[in-house]
Amino acid sequence: GQQLNQSPQSMFIQEGEDVSMNCTSSSIFNTWLWYKQDPGEGPVLLIALYKAGELTSNGRLTAQFGITRKDSFLNISASIPSDVGIYFCAGSPGDRDDKIIFGKGTRLHILP
Amino acid sequence: KAGVTQTPRYLIKTRGQQVTLSCSPISGHRSVSWYQQTPGQGLQFLFEYFSETQRNKGNFPGRFSGRQFSNSRSEMNVSTLELGDSALYLCASSFPGQLNTGELFFGEGSRLTVL
Repeated sequence: GQQLNQSPQSMFIQEGEDVSMNCTSSSIFNTWLWYKQDPGEGPVLLIALYKAGELTSNGRLTAQFGITRKDSFLNISASIPSDVGIYFCAGSPGDRDDKIIFGKGTRLHILP
Repeated sequence: KAGVTQTPRYLIKTRGQQVTLSCSPISGHRSVSWYQQTPGQGLQFLFEYFSETQRNKGNFPGRFSGRQFSNSRSEMNVSTLELGDSALYLCASSFPGQLNTGELFFGEGSRLTVL
C-alpha cells in the first residue's frame, strides 16, 4: 500500500535554530499537507499544498510541494519553545474515494 | 464554531471487553474519519464515513467497526479488546467537495488503555 517516509523521526535543536523535515513517497499525491500535534491535542493543519512546485509560507513556516509530486518539505525558521510537538506530513491522492496517508511524524524538541 | 468533539477523553478497559467511542463533527461537515495513533506507528487510518456510508477502510481486523448517524455524528466500536489496542483514537471531520483535499479537522482524541 501507499506509504510516506518522513524524516527525521526526532530532532533536538536550540531555540532560534532553523528546522527542516521532509517526506517522500513512491506514489504521486495531488495534495501535500503538514499538520502539527501539540501534547494532549489532536493534529492541526499548518499548510496545504495543491500544485507541484508550489512553495507556501505561513509565518515562520515554509513548505514545498515537490516537482515530482512524490515529496514535500517543511522548514521552520527561528524556532521558539511553542514549536515543540509532532509534525506530520500527509498526502492526498485527490480522488474523493481515496484515503489520506500520514507519515509517522517528526518529534521536535527544543533545548533551553 | 465548535470544533470536533470526542467522548470520552480517557478510558480504561480490560482485555476482552468492548468499547464505544463517540465523535461529533464540526457543524456542516459530513465526512468523519477515524485514526489510531500509537508511538511507534503514527496515525493509522481506520475508516471514513460519509452520509452514513463507510467510504474507505484501513487494514484493521473486524473487531474494529464504526457507523455514522444521519446528523453526521459517528461512533467506533472495538470488541474483544487486546493489550495492543491501547492507543489514542482520533476522529477528524471534513467538508468533502469534489476532491479529497486532505484538510481534516481533528478532535482531541480518546485515550484508551487496555489492562
